Amino acid sequence: DTEVTQTPKHLVMGMTNKKSLKCEQHMGHRAMYWYKQKAKKPPELMFVYSYEKLSINESVPSRFSPECPNSSLLNLHLHALQPEDSALYLCASSPSSEYNEQFFGPGTRLTVL
Amino acid sequence: QKEVEQNSGPLSVPEGAIASLNCTYSDRGSQSFFWYRQYSGKSPELIMSIYSNGDKEDGRFTAQLNKASQYVSLLIRDSQPSDSATYLCAVTSPPLTNSGYALNFGKGTSLLVTP
Repeated sequence: DTEVTQTPKHLVMGMTNKKSLKCEQHMGHRAMYWYKQKAKKPPELMFVYSYEKLSINESVPSRFSPECPNSSLLNLHLHALQPEDSALYLCASSPSSEYNEQFFGPGTRLTVL
Repeated sequence: QKEVEQNSGPLSVPEGAIASLNCTYSDRGSQSFFWYRQYSGKSPELIMSIYSNGDKEDGRFTAQLNKASQYVSLLIRDSQPSDSATYLCAVTSPPLTNSGYALNFGKGTSLLVTP
Protein backbone atom coordinates (compact mmCIF):
# COMPACT_ATOMS: atom_id res chain seq x y z
CA ASP A 1 0.00 0.00 0.00
CA THR A 2 1.72 3.17 -1.21
CA GLU A 3 -1.06 5.59 -0.44
CA VAL A 4 -1.61 8.49 1.90
CA THR A 5 -5.30 9.10 2.60
CA GLN A 6 -6.92 12.27 3.89
CA THR A 7 -10.41 13.02 5.14
CA PRO A 8 -12.54 14.91 4.49
CA LYS A 9 -11.95 15.87 0.86
CA HIS A 10 -13.80 19.15 1.31
CA LEU A 11 -14.64 21.12 4.44
CA VAL A 12 -16.59 24.33 4.89
CA MET A 13 -16.52 25.86 8.35
CA GLY A 14 -17.43 29.07 10.11
CA MET A 15 -14.94 31.11 12.06
CA THR A 16 -16.30 29.83 15.40
CA ASN A 17 -16.29 26.14 14.49
CA LYS A 18 -13.92 23.43 15.64
CA LYS A 19 -13.04 20.76 13.11
CA SER A 20 -10.28 18.21 12.47
CA LEU A 21 -8.46 17.02 9.39
CA LYS A 22 -7.24 13.43 9.34
CA CYS A 23 -4.38 11.74 7.53
CA GLU A 24 -3.37 8.09 7.44
CA GLN A 25 -0.53 6.11 5.85
CA HIS A 26 0.33 2.41 5.97
CA MET A 27 3.75 2.51 4.36
CA GLY A 28 5.64 2.24 7.64
CA HIS A 29 6.89 5.78 7.23
CA ARG A 30 8.17 7.47 10.37
CA ALA A 31 7.90 11.10 9.30
CA MET A 32 4.64 12.90 8.54
CA TYR A 33 4.02 16.45 7.43
CA TRP A 34 1.27 19.06 7.14
CA TYR A 35 1.46 21.61 4.35
CA LYS A 36 -0.80 24.49 3.37
CA GLN A 37 -1.14 25.42 -0.30
CA LYS A 38 -2.83 28.53 -1.66
CA ALA A 39 -3.81 28.82 -5.32
CA LYS A 40 -0.86 29.09 -7.74
CA LYS A 41 1.66 28.88 -4.88
CA PRO A 42 3.93 26.02 -3.81
CA PRO A 43 3.12 24.05 -0.65
CA GLU A 44 4.17 25.75 2.58
CA LEU A 45 5.40 23.54 5.40
CA MET A 46 3.43 23.81 8.63
CA PHE A 47 4.48 20.91 10.86
CA VAL A 48 6.78 17.89 10.81
CA TYR A 49 6.39 14.84 13.02
CA SER A 50 9.38 12.54 13.24
CA TYR A 51 8.90 9.25 15.11
CA GLU A 52 5.61 10.62 16.45
CA LYS A 53 7.25 13.68 17.99
CA LEU A 54 6.74 17.20 16.72
CA SER A 55 10.08 18.22 15.28
CA ILE A 56 9.25 21.30 13.20
CA ASN A 57 6.62 23.96 13.80
CA GLU A 58 6.99 26.70 11.21
CA SER A 59 5.57 29.42 13.46
CA VAL A 60 2.02 28.42 12.64
CA PRO A 61 -0.76 30.27 14.54
CA SER A 62 -2.13 28.40 17.55
CA ARG A 63 -5.53 28.08 15.89
CA PHE A 64 -3.89 25.13 14.10
CA SER A 65 -3.04 22.27 16.45
CA PRO A 66 -1.37 19.08 15.17
CA GLU A 67 -1.58 15.68 16.79
CA CYS A 68 0.11 12.37 15.99
CA PRO A 69 -1.77 9.58 17.85
CA ASN A 70 0.46 6.86 16.37
CA SER A 71 2.95 6.28 13.58
CA SER A 72 0.21 5.89 10.96
CA LEU A 73 -2.10 8.75 11.87
CA LEU A 74 -1.81 12.51 11.78
CA ASN A 75 -4.51 14.98 12.72
CA LEU A 76 -4.80 18.74 12.34
CA HIS A 77 -7.26 20.36 14.74
CA LEU A 78 -8.76 23.64 13.60
CA HIS A 79 -10.35 26.29 15.81
CA ALA A 80 -11.36 29.91 15.27
CA LEU A 81 -9.96 30.05 11.77
CA GLN A 82 -9.94 33.12 9.57
CA PRO A 83 -11.13 33.38 5.95
CA GLU A 84 -7.49 33.74 4.85
CA ASP A 85 -6.91 30.21 6.15
CA SER A 86 -8.94 28.87 3.25
CA ALA A 87 -6.56 26.67 1.25
CA LEU A 88 -5.69 23.11 0.26
CA TYR A 89 -4.25 21.29 3.25
CA LEU A 90 -1.86 18.53 2.31
CA CYS A 91 -0.54 15.67 4.36
CA ALA A 92 2.65 13.89 3.33
CA SER A 93 4.80 11.08 4.67
CA SER A 94 8.38 9.91 4.13
CA PRO A 95 10.42 6.93 5.36
CA SER A 96 12.16 9.21 7.87
CA SER A 97 12.82 12.89 8.31
CA GLU A 98 16.36 12.36 6.95
CA TYR A 99 15.41 10.15 4.00
CA ASN A 100 12.52 12.38 3.04
CA GLU A 101 11.19 11.31 -0.35
CA GLN A 102 7.74 12.63 0.48
CA PHE A 103 4.45 11.21 -0.75
CA PHE A 104 1.41 13.44 -0.61
CA GLY A 105 -2.20 12.64 0.13
CA PRO A 106 -5.01 14.05 -2.01
CA GLY A 107 -5.54 17.00 0.32
CA THR A 108 -8.49 18.63 2.07
CA ARG A 109 -9.96 21.70 0.40
CA LEU A 110 -10.87 24.00 3.32
CA THR A 111 -13.15 27.01 3.02
CA VAL A 112 -13.59 29.30 6.02
CA LEU A 113 -16.65 31.53 5.88
CA GLN B 1 17.61 32.18 2.91
CA LYS B 2 17.60 28.90 0.98
CA GLU B 3 16.05 29.56 -2.43
CA VAL B 4 14.82 27.33 -5.20
CA GLU B 5 14.19 29.11 -8.47
CA GLN B 6 12.07 28.01 -11.41
CA ASN B 7 10.78 29.81 -14.46
CA SER B 8 7.03 30.10 -13.91
CA GLY B 9 6.24 29.67 -17.61
CA PRO B 10 3.98 28.74 -19.17
CA LEU B 11 6.27 26.52 -21.19
CA SER B 12 4.45 25.44 -24.34
CA VAL B 13 5.65 22.46 -26.38
CA PRO B 14 3.98 20.53 -29.19
CA GLU B 15 2.90 16.95 -28.66
CA GLY B 16 5.78 14.53 -29.22
CA ALA B 17 8.49 17.10 -28.46
CA ILE B 18 10.93 17.15 -25.55
CA ALA B 19 9.98 19.43 -22.66
CA SER B 20 12.91 20.79 -20.63
CA LEU B 21 12.24 22.15 -17.15
CA ASN B 22 14.97 23.85 -15.14
CA CYS B 23 15.62 24.61 -11.50
CA THR B 24 18.44 26.32 -9.62
CA TYR B 25 19.06 26.31 -5.88
CA SER B 26 21.09 28.52 -3.59
CA ASP B 27 22.22 26.18 -0.80
CA ARG B 28 25.41 24.42 -1.87
CA GLY B 29 24.89 21.90 0.95
CA SER B 30 21.65 20.60 -0.57
CA GLN B 31 21.56 16.82 -0.75
CA SER B 32 18.31 15.55 -2.24
CA PHE B 33 16.37 16.77 -5.25
CA PHE B 34 12.84 15.98 -6.32
CA TRP B 35 10.43 16.73 -9.13
CA TYR B 36 6.70 16.75 -8.42
CA ARG B 37 3.88 17.03 -10.95
CA GLN B 38 0.72 18.81 -9.86
CA TYR B 39 -2.47 18.94 -11.88
CA SER B 40 -4.83 21.82 -11.23
CA GLY B 41 -6.81 21.22 -8.05
CA LYS B 42 -4.88 18.05 -7.18
CA SER B 43 -2.02 17.25 -4.84
CA PRO B 44 1.66 17.01 -5.86
CA GLU B 45 2.77 13.64 -7.23
CA LEU B 46 6.41 12.58 -6.90
CA ILE B 47 7.78 11.69 -10.33
CA MET B 48 11.57 11.77 -9.90
CA SER B 49 14.17 11.76 -7.13
CA ILE B 50 17.90 12.33 -7.72
CA TYR B 51 20.71 12.41 -5.20
CA SER B 52 24.01 12.36 -7.13
CA ASN B 53 25.46 14.18 -10.11
CA GLY B 54 24.48 12.93 -13.53
CA ASP B 55 21.35 11.65 -15.21
CA LYS B 56 18.59 9.43 -13.91
CA GLU B 57 16.04 8.02 -16.33
CA ASP B 58 12.59 6.61 -15.61
CA GLY B 59 10.44 5.95 -18.64
CA ARG B 60 9.89 9.21 -20.53
CA PHE B 61 11.42 11.25 -17.68
CA THR B 62 15.09 12.09 -17.18
CA ALA B 63 16.35 14.09 -14.22
CA GLN B 64 19.75 15.75 -14.46
CA LEU B 65 21.76 17.06 -11.52
CA ASN B 66 24.84 19.27 -11.55
CA LYS B 67 25.83 20.16 -8.00
CA ALA B 68 28.78 22.32 -9.09
CA SER B 69 26.39 24.56 -11.02
CA GLN B 70 23.59 24.11 -8.43
CA TYR B 71 21.26 23.11 -11.20
CA VAL B 72 18.69 20.36 -11.62
CA SER B 73 16.54 19.73 -14.66
CA LEU B 74 13.73 17.47 -15.83
CA LEU B 75 13.37 16.31 -19.42
CA ILE B 76 10.09 14.84 -20.64
CA ARG B 77 10.44 12.97 -23.92
CA ASP B 78 7.54 12.39 -26.32
CA SER B 79 5.43 14.95 -24.44
CA GLN B 80 1.71 14.21 -24.27
CA PRO B 81 -1.22 16.56 -23.59
CA SER B 82 -1.70 14.61 -20.34
CA ASP B 83 1.70 15.95 -19.21
CA SER B 84 0.21 19.46 -19.05
CA ALA B 85 0.57 20.39 -15.38
CA THR B 86 2.67 22.42 -12.99
CA TYR B 87 6.07 20.88 -12.22
CA LEU B 88 7.51 21.65 -8.80
CA CYS B 89 11.21 21.35 -8.05
CA ALA B 90 11.97 20.54 -4.40
CA VAL B 91 15.33 20.49 -2.64
CA THR B 92 16.36 19.18 0.77
CA SER B 93 19.12 20.80 2.77
CA PRO B 94 20.66 19.58 6.02
CA PRO B 95 18.87 21.01 9.04
CA LEU B 96 20.37 23.73 11.15
CA THR B 97 19.14 21.86 14.22
CA ASN B 98 18.38 18.22 14.88
CA SER B 99 14.80 18.79 13.87
CA GLY B 100 14.70 17.00 10.56
CA TYR B 101 15.01 17.95 6.95
CA ALA B 102 12.46 20.08 5.16
CA LEU B 103 11.62 20.34 1.48
CA ASN B 104 12.16 23.73 -0.11
CA PHE B 105 9.86 24.08 -3.11
CA GLY B 106 10.29 26.27 -6.13
CA LYS B 107 7.23 28.16 -7.31
CA GLY B 108 6.68 25.68 -10.14
CA THR B 109 6.74 25.76 -13.93
CA SER B 110 3.49 25.46 -15.84
CA LEU B 111 3.83 23.12 -18.81
CA LEU B 112 1.33 23.09 -21.68
CA VAL B 113 1.58 20.35 -24.29
CA THR B 114 -0.43 21.25 -27.37
CA PRO B 115 -1.91 18.57 -29.67
